[in-house]
Amino acid sequence: SQQGEEDPQALSIQEGENATMNCSYKTSINNLQWYRQNSGRGLVHLILIRSNEREKHSGRLRVTLDTSKKSSSLLITASRAADTASYFCATDDRSGNTPLVFGKGTRLSVIA
Amino acid sequence: DAGITQSPRHKVTETGTPVTLRCHQTENHRYMYWYRQDPGHGLRLIHYSYGVKDTDKGEVSDGYSVSRSKTEDFLLTLESATSSQTSVYFCAISAVVGTPRYTFGSGTRLTVV
Repeated sequence: SQQGEEDPQALSIQEGENATMNCSYKTSINNLQWYRQNSGRGLVHLILIRSNEREKHSGRLRVTLDTSKKSSSLLITASRAADTASYFCATDDRSGNTPLVFGKGTRLSVIA
Repeated sequence: DAGITQSPRHKVTETGTPVTLRCHQTENHRYMYWYRQDPGHGLRLIHYSYGVKDTDKGEVSDGYSVSRSKTEDFLLTLESATSSQTSVYFCAISAVVGTPRYTFGSGTRLTVV
């Protein structure tokens, strides 16, 4: 299975600290995406990074991609209590023509 | 989420009964997906559709069927519900498979007793 694996499974930090989550996957990809899920809600798209990109920023989010190691990281800077959620990486395959495969997620708790 | 609705939001049903979940979109997107979310497994793809009457199986399709007779509606049917199908079911849509991004519904929590 291509399913990504996020690490750690759970993370608890203080408000204002940075949160880093990692994702590993198994086969070549076209792009990698990160999604967020608040408790009891659907997933919301955060950011997409293409296989030929190494780093991407969006507000307080920074995503890196290392295709040689088949891994990605999501950094949330200056975290807020409202960032408390589960975060999932999702990948397609190299063709870009397959449905996304989601990892198992990292549960982030930001304590005020 | 705007543009995609799932119904019902919650359902309790008995083992052996058929159940149909509905996903409705107003975005005119070509692709629609059904995922299930379970603790320890994340989201797993059940079935997806790439157009009216065009569907394909996902990773965990056994025990499920789908139909898409109109662009806006994608139905997921559990032919004979089992306790292992207790889960939260999410529908998602995208204009292009895999990219640029999926929009998810709010989910249906299904309990099979």
